[in-house]
Order: sequence, then C-alpha cells, then structure tokens
Amino acid sequence: QSVLTQAPSASGTPGQRVAISCSGSSSNIGSNSVNWYQQLPGTAPKLLIYSNNQRPSGVPDRFSGSKSGTSASLAISGLQSEDEADYFCAAWDDSLNAHYLFGTGTKVTVL
Amino acid sequence: QVQLQESGPGLVKPSETLSLTCTVSGGSISDYSWSWIRQPPGKGLEWIGYIYYSGRSQYNPSLKSRVTISLVASKNQFSLKLTSMTAADTAVYYCATSVVGALDYWGQGALVTVSS
Repeated sequence: QSVLTQAPSASGTPGQRVAISCSGSSSNIGSNSVNWYQQLPGTAPKLLIYSNNQRPSGVPDRFSGSKSGTSASLAISGLQSEDEADYFCAAWDDSLNAHYLFGTGTKVTVL
Repeated sequence: QVQLQESGPGLVKPSETLSLTCTVSGGSISDYSWSWIRQPPGKGLEWIGYIYYSGRSQYNPSLKSRVTISLVASKNQFSLKLTSMTAADTAVYYCATSVVGALDYWGQGALVTVSS
C-alpha cells in the first residue's frame, strides 16, 4: 500500500523557520493536491493548508505549503511555542482502490 | 460553522461490531462529504472512509470488508459500523467533513477500546 513519508521529528527555537517534508509517489502527491493538518496535544487534528498552499480562514500566514513533483513541504516561519504539535500531510491516492492517505506525521518541538 | 460530535460505546468486546454516530450541527448533511478517521493511541491517522449525500461511499482498502458508513438524513447524522473488532482497532475515532476538498471540520473524537 502507498505511503506518505515524513521525518518523525523536527525542532527549532522561537522565531526560527522550520520546514517539514512529505514524500509520496506518482499515484498520490504526483497527481493530487496536498493538505496539511496540525494536531495539538490531546486535541483533534485541524486543517492547516489545503490544495498545496491555501490557508483556511484564521490560519496565520507564517504557515505555508508547497508541492513539487512527488513531494510536498510545510514551512513554519517565526516559530512560536504554540506551534509545538504533530503535523500530518495527506493526499488522495489513485492506486487500484482510491483512498485518502495520511503521512506518517512529524512532531515539531519548540526548544 | 459546522460542528460535529461523535457518540457511541467506549468499550467493545473482541469480535463484536462497533457502531458510532456523528451528529452534525451548523450545516446540512445534504451538503459536502462526511468521513471517519481513526488514530490508535500514540500513532498516526488512518482514513476509514466517506459518504456523500447521494449515498456514494468509498472506503480504505485495508478496512473495506468490515466497514459500512451510512447517512441518517432525518437526524442530520451519519454513522460508522466496523465489524469483527480486535485489539488492533482500539483507537480514537473522529468524524469530519470536507468543504474545500480537505477535512475542514472535525469532531472532538471518541476513544474506543476493544477488550473483553
């Protein structure tokens, strides 16, 4: 089955820029848009970025997304303590049985 | 703003069927698509499936043989049934809706433990 691979962890100090990558394949990221979700400790996930680089209303503009080929990236500029959370990429996979696929997740720690 | 709330048993015995309901407020079940997602303790997210108001549904291939998602339009609800539960199905189960092509709004989640 297809997988969206993310590094397990990332970290930075307040004010720094942190980038999280998401690696997929031609059947998912390569042919569909990418969404990103933020999950604060003990809470439900929240949509952070949709359609590769669009922010829902209320999401600060220090969060940005991009996609190139079969990979995508989420950047957090001006890292803040409240950004400490798990981040998941996601995309539709068009393999034999189409399904929505989540990435393995990245834990961001603010040092 | 759409709000969702999961309800159902917190404990299910092995081999039994899980039944969860998601109640929608602030929006109509006749709009958008309606999904279930789960997250085992300390692990990542797994999409279970979705249903449109038309009744068209799609499921994760890994769960397809055990899953049914249905609409209860008269109550503005949708439901999840997962058969033959095992310990591996212990997870927080979330319902969510898709407005912009992603999972925009989520319920708070319901922990389901499989144990005898």
